[in-house]
Amino acid sequence: KQEVTQIPAALSVPEGENLVLNCSFTDSAIYNLQWFRQDPGKGLTSLLLIQSSQREQTSGRLNASLDKSSGRSTLYIAASQPGDSATYLCAVKYTGRRALTFGSGTRLQVQP
Amino acid sequence: EPEVTQTPSHQVTQMGQEVILRCVPISNHLYFYWYRQILGQKVEFLVSFYNNEISEKSEIFDDQFSVERPDGSNFTLKIRSTKLEDSAMYFCASSGGTGLYGELFFGEGSRLTVL
Repeated sequence: KQEVTQIPAALSVPEGENLVLNCSFTDSAIYNLQWFRQDPGKGLTSLLLIQSSQREQTSGRLNASLDKSSGRSTLYIAASQPGDSATYLCAVKYTGRRALTFGSGTRLQVQP
Repeated sequence: EPEVTQTPSHQVTQMGQEVILRCVPISNHLYFYWYRQILGQKVEFLVSFYNNEISEKSEIFDDQFSVERPDGSNFTLKIRSTKLEDSAMYFCASSGGTGLYGELFFGEGSRLTVL
């Protein structure tokens, strides 16, 4: 079964710390992987999209990597800020599918 | 910045009633989707829509559900005979002309509460 798993489920860090969120997927046959941010009761904001042929993507303080062979992606957040507090979702588009398969998310709390 | 808009933001309905959730995708996008998120659970795919037809649907998307693009701008999800377990946040998404490789953009969601 094609699944997406995110570890840890929750993370609390002091402001200024660099941190890594993990995402793993069960099948290496993917079109792309997308990271989202979700604030409580709100919609999903796209952060980064990595195509299967790419190794990483960067946007500001965010860097996402992709290792298809090991079925892993990481989201690196540099110099975290209280405003980064949210749930971060990883979603995979498996080959042959139009659907995104989502992980359960990592709930991040950045303490001022 | 272009965005996906959804209405209503919150709808309360009685069990057995029909509801229609509306979405206006980003204007030059060609691919449209509905997802849902039951409180505390993962975001789940319902259906994708391209060229005026369903291109993929999940096992959740049974005969109770239907989608339509009634004009050039709106994309709707109809839920017939609602059940308690249909209570969820429903998200509309769209992506551009790169098809399977495109970035998905989501709306703010419509919260459906079935009593």
